[in-house]
Amino acid sequence: GAVVSQHPSWVICKSGTSVKIECRSLDFQATTMFWYRQFPKQSLMLMATSNEGSKATYEQGVEKDKFLINHASLTLSTLTVTSAHPEDSSFYICSASRLAGGELFFGEGSRLTVL
Amino acid sequence: KQEVTQIPAALSVPEGENLVLNCSFTDSAIYNLQWFRQDPGKGLTSLLLIQSSQREQTSGRLNASLDKSSGRSTLYIAASQPGDSATYLCAVRTGTGRRALTFGSGTRLQVQP
Repeated sequence: GAVVSQHPSWVICKSGTSVKIECRSLDFQATTMFWYRQFPKQSLMLMATSNEGSKATYEQGVEKDKFLINHASLTLSTLTVTSAHPEDSSFYICSASRLAGGELFFGEGSRLTVL
Repeated sequence: KQEVTQIPAALSVPEGENLVLNCSFTDSAIYNLQWFRQDPGKGLTSLLLIQSSQREQTSGRLNASLDKSSGRSTLYIAASQPGDSATYLCAVRTGTGRRALTFGSGTRLQVQP
């Protein structure tokens, strides 16, 4: 299957700092990538849709100024958690598909802990 | 609004057993259905994708079936192994838009050696 890579896999930061998470499609081009958040023992919650060359589309309740998304190329989307607070601690996962509505492939996830 | 339910929420079986995980959905007008595996602290690994026109897909010891009319899919795991221990998620897609994918809450499987 296709490969989607996330980096870093885990990060610990102090409250008030910003953290960037990268999502790369390694063997295909993805005009659209998705960012999810997952709380312990819960399913995935869609945060935003990252669109190459245009602004991301955020889901209701997700602060666009706090979770900055940049999709500068067909293989890379970044999620920046700005001025992180302990309540932002979570597992963040990205996904992409070759075709709209096609099989989804997920990154390995990034565990963020804000002290 | 599509709702996806997975039963059971947790399952513990001895090694070697054949087992069935269930996924049900409320809107039968689906585009496709995908089964994933998630190991603790890891991302999701795609196991099987069933298009709306298909009734089943097989990969190794895994077989997934789809009955759109009844809003159900099952994931059959043959001869379970301790390495199969993980959370299994099903995701139903009702279109190509970003909100068209709905995840179930998962089944946590533990295979005892």
